[in-house]
Amino acid sequence: AQKITQTQPGMFVQEKEAVTLDCTYDTSDPSYGLFWYKQPSSGEMIFLIYQGSYDQQNATEGRYSLNFQKARKSANLVISASQLGDSAMYFCAIEGSSNTGKLIFGQGTTLQVKP
Amino acid sequence: DSGVTQTPKHLITATGQRVTLRCSPRSGDLSVYWYQQSLDQGLQFLIQYYNGEERAKGNILERFSAQQFPDLHSELNLSSLELGDSALYFCASSVGRGRNTIYFGEGSWLTVV
Repeated sequence: AQKITQTQPGMFVQEKEAVTLDCTYDTSDPSYGLFWYKQPSSGEMIFLIYQGSYDQQNATEGRYSLNFQKARKSANLVISASQLGDSAMYFCAIEGSSNTGKLIFGQGTTLQVKP
Repeated sequence: DSGVTQTPKHLITATGQRVTLRCSPRSGDLSVYWYQQSLDQGLQFLIQYYNGEERAKGNILERFSAQQFPDLHSELNLSSLELGDSALYFCASSVGRGRNTIYFGEGSWLTVV
């Protein structure tokens, strides 16, 4: 069975600073995908970044980058130059080799950006 | 805007009733997924359809059912509603059957009273 662990229930960061949100995963699948989503207080789920288990390079999307350490089974999200609009809940999720698009989510981390 | 459209956005109904949640996937996406987000269970995968056929099933209750129509829109039917069914229900879509970026709609807030 697959599992995602996000150990930081809440985080604070100063505006314009970088912040790392932790995510560790457990899977026995040889091939898998890792996703990060942002959920603002309004409720929608916004896709941020994707990392495939066989991707050679860490994924980056604008101010978002993924620190993927396969041997340690971690996929931490790094947000650079934090903005007030980054305040939200962040979810890490994994999709296994079943290729069904079934995502297993972690419990999420609430990020608050201070002005 | 993800391109995934869900209606209604908010719904309040009584226990024992039945509701239907509707989803239009992004243009060109063949897969539709339904997820439930509640305070106690977190985000849970319910079911996936690909091009009209059921592809994967998660922890979906027997009181719940879904389908994907020929025009690729999908409906999630929730019947004999209980207080514990109160949750945010997400529809999501992707191009293929898996390992594609999965885009979520804004969700349908269901409150059962």
